[in-house]
Amino acid sequence: GESVGLHLPTLSVQEGDNSIINCAYSNSASDYFIWYKQESGKGPQFIIDIRSNMDKRQGQRVTVLLNKTVKHLSLQIAATQPGDSAVYFCADRPNQAGTALIFGKGTTLSVSS
Amino acid sequence: DTEVTQTPKHLVMGMTNKKSLKCEQHMGHRAMYWYKQKAKKPPELMFVYSYEKLSINESVPSRFSPECPNSSLLNLHLHALQPEDSALYLCASSQGPGDTTNEKLFFGSGTQLSVL
Repeated sequence: GESVGLHLPTLSVQEGDNSIINCAYSNSASDYFIWYKQESGKGPQFIIDIRSNMDKRQGQRVTVLLNKTVKHLSLQIAATQPGDSAVYFCADRPNQAGTALIFGKGTTLSVSS
Repeated sequence: DTEVTQTPKHLVMGMTNKKSLKCEQHMGHRAMYWYKQKAKKPPELMFVYSYEKLSINESVPSRFSPECPNSSLLNLHLHALQPEDSALYLCASSQGPGDTTNEKLFFGSGTQLSVL
C-alpha cells in the first residue's frame, strides 16, 4: 500500500519565490527517498534523492531535507521559474526484500510570472 | 543515452482486443518496471523484473501479462481489458535491484491507454 503522502495537493507561487513542497512518510523502515517532477503528458523525471543516513542534500536550485524523527521529507526549489510548474511526487523504498519505490499523492506546483 | 522508450504513445482498444505495450532501454540497467497511473494520481507499481526474471507482481489481474525477452526490452501484453483499466502505463528501469549506489528509476513517457 501507499506509505508516502504529501501535505498539500496544490501550491501556487510567484516567479522568483522559493517553493517548499512537503511529504510525510509512514514506514520507518524506508531508507531511500526520491523526488520526481511530472509535466503534463510526460513520465516522472528524477529531481533529487537522499538516503536515510543523511538529513540534507543539495542539487542545482533544489534541496531535499529529511527528518527521520517525524518522518518528514521536503523539497525546496530556489528562485522558482514558470518551467518548474508540474506535479511533484515524493517516493520511498522500504528497506525490505521484494519492495520497490512507492509514490505519494503528489503536489501540483503552479508558478505565475 | 539515458532514455526509456515506450511505444505506442497512445492506444485505443476494445474489451475483446489483444494488444501489447513495449518498452526499451539501452542504459545497461538490469531492473525494469511497469507502473500504472490514473489521472491526477501517483504511479502505482504493477511488476518488477530483476535480471530478466519477474521479482514483484503487485497482485495484478491476469489480463495483464508482462514479458521480459532480454535485459533491454519489457513488454506488457493486454487481453480482455475493462474500461477501468484505462490509464497511463509507465515503464521504468534502474541500474539494478539491491544496488545501493544508484537506485533511482528512469521513466519513459508512457502509453496512454483507452479501453472502450
